[in-house]
Amino acid sequence: AQKITQTQPGMFVQEKEAVTLDCTYDTSDPSYGLFWYKQPSSGEMIFLIYQGSYDQQNATEGRYSLNFQKARKSANLVISASQLGDSAMYFCAMREANFGNEKLTFGTGTRLTIIP
Amino acid sequence: KAGVTQTPRYLIKTRGQQVTLSCSPISGHRSVSWYQQTPGQGLQFLFEYFSETQRNKGNFPGRFSGRQFSNSRSEMNVSTLELGDSALYLCASSRLPGQNYNEQFFGPGTRLTVL
Repeated sequence: AQKITQTQPGMFVQEKEAVTLDCTYDTSDPSYGLFWYKQPSSGEMIFLIYQGSYDQQNATEGRYSLNFQKARKSANLVISASQLGDSAMYFCAMREANFGNEKLTFGTGTRLTIIP
Repeated sequence: KAGVTQTPRYLIKTRGQQVTLSCSPISGHRSVSWYQQTPGQGLQFLFEYFSETQRNKGNFPGRFSGRQFSNSRSEMNVSTLELGDSALYLCASSRLPGQNYNEQFFGPGTRLTVL
């Protein structure tokens, strides 16, 4: 069974608009962490934001916020006021059993293109 | 502080050869993980090392191996290269559980081409 699902292969968004990238996950482990990474054409994976399963509040990092809906097993990334430099692949990833396990399981990614 | 570094950045090999890739984690990070990224299979976990011990292993053949040194630097080796091994190999490092445990940072990757 797929553990991380990203249903949007590609998205086109007008510059300065907000964008939501979808991510759903599947786990029976009560302790897990959710990550979002950005991968520009250069290939490097850039860490954006993290949400722990026990965190009470949604994570925010600058223009990035994570809409965490635990009951729905959803962890959508929201980018406010998009910029041309936001054009890249975006990956959602999960790490189960936070302690003692560093393995990340990735979704298939969403290619985001910002239109001027 | 310096990020995760990987060497070499680009590599071209022929089938049957072997290759060694290197990863230096962020200072203070003791766990190093390796991932393979291909257009067809996406990002797949290879293995993870902590304190010179392999703690976790993905579903890859025995041709893929790795090790970690006492300074936390890690190497991965692929023997008897196949065309399908052409990929971007990414290394990630993280601290021990505890303080700032949300950290898991990646290096720039090594792009391996097998001809």
